[in-house]
Amino acid sequence: DTEVTQTPKHLVMGMTNKKSLKCEQHMGHRAMYWYKQKAKKPPELMFVYSYEKLSINESVPSRFSPECPNSSLLNLHLHALQPEDSALYLCASSPWESGRGETQYFGPGTRLLVL
Amino acid sequence: GQQVMQIPQYQHVQEGEDFTTYCNSSTTLSNIQWYKQRPGGHPVFLIQLVKSGEVKKQKRLTFQFGEAKKNSSLHITATQTTDVGTYFCAGQTLSGTYKYIFGTGTRLKVLA
Repeated sequence: DTEVTQTPKHLVMGMTNKKSLKCEQHMGHRAMYWYKQKAKKPPELMFVYSYEKLSINESVPSRFSPECPNSSLLNLHLHALQPEDSALYLCASSPWESGRGETQYFGPGTRLLVL
Repeated sequence: GQQVMQIPQYQHVQEGEDFTTYCNSSTTLSNIQWYKQRPGGHPVFLIQLVKSGEVKKQKRLTFQFGEAKKNSSLHITATQTTDVGTYFCAGQTLSGTYKYIFGTGTRLKVLA
């Protein structure tokens, strides 16, 4: 199984809502990532978890809160978002054998619209 | 800051023509990956290059990693309509803290 799954596929939320994005992989990978991608732009790294611990936070605003309940699951909790946070949110995973710069396997993403 | 630029930004080709995208990093990379993202899709891994000067082929695709490990190229021979999408390079910087950076991307359109 070389798939990374993400739910929901689409999400519309108001600025006062609280919602969560979910990601799951069953490849035995020990690193999981959250990316944000705006239209016609490359993915921007937000967070990296390795061995279920947050190893990188790319100065992401606190209205985005990641969580890694176990090695297969990754959540992104959203609260008080702004319209400019509307984007495609991509989850990825990698084996973390070499620790860094590995090939990443991406999920299909969640298209988020903040009204 | 550290940047990975790709040129061209856009390319329209007639089906059957060749296509090349170039990836240039401001800093040395430990390795480089290439991804393809179809319109409305997500990045899909194509290949990884690790060694200086490495060349790899996948059917009609040829990938090259520069000698200085600061640039790379992807060449597609005889494009097909299925090649449509955005091609991203991505790499791990060698200096300082972990920095995995995506290139700016090249969007390819193939006209039938």
